[in-house]
Amino acid sequence: NAGVMQNPRHLVRRRGQEARLRCSPMKGHSHVYWYRQLPEEGLKFMVYLQKENIIDESGMPKERFSAEFPKEGPSILRIQQVVRGDSAAYFCASSPPVGTDTQYFGPGTRLTVL
Amino acid sequence: KQEVTQIPAALSVPEGENLVLNCSFTDSAIYNLQWFRQDPGKGLTSLLLIQSSQREQTSGRLNASLDKSSGRSTLYIAASQPGDSATYLCAVYNQGGKLIFGQGTELSVKP
Repeated sequence: NAGVMQNPRHLVRRRGQEARLRCSPMKGHSHVYWYRQLPEEGLKFMVYLQKENIIDESGMPKERFSAEFPKEGPSILRIQQVVRGDSAAYFCASSPPVGTDTQYFGPGTRLTVL
Repeated sequence: KQEVTQIPAALSVPEGENLVLNCSFTDSAIYNLQWFRQDPGKGLTSLLLIQSSQREQTSGRLNASLDKSSGRSTLYIAASQPGDSATYLCAVYNQGGKLIFGQGTELSVKP
């Protein structure tokens, strides 16, 4: 059973471009979480999704950031018009539908904005 | 609002020592607590998950305890090895499933 997959592992964008980060949860997992780790800071929750639904987006910046988890395919975290302050490691985690709250983390996408 | 604090921020020990990492949280109404390890530039590896009804969990040389009433958890590492060098993160689950992380303890085990 493959773990949580994230791609790309490293992403370089210039200011004003768009960044798309992808997360494929573990097989059988229907819950996806995105976290951000800014340089020299701890991990912060961004958004919690189930298939086709956003459950909690209380950690998402109000502008430029969006997330989706379609019925088919990976979850996508989209950052429009990136700025230097968006440079960070973005981690995705997934969990099974019921029975446990253990979250399994992917390797992360390291976004660098030039 | 839940806040998680880890002490110390950094720790350096000689190989073979037993050590304790501390984690405290402000809201005792947690669902679970999880300890992770993060190597530089890497993702997170789950070490131990303690359910709210449990007092401790053990895995190999690791033992984690949970005292909800005092808002504390400790991670005990026995007979430390250089390969244990990493950042250790404590995270609590509140209602709704999202994890609230501490800032981490950066551990260095010297050979």
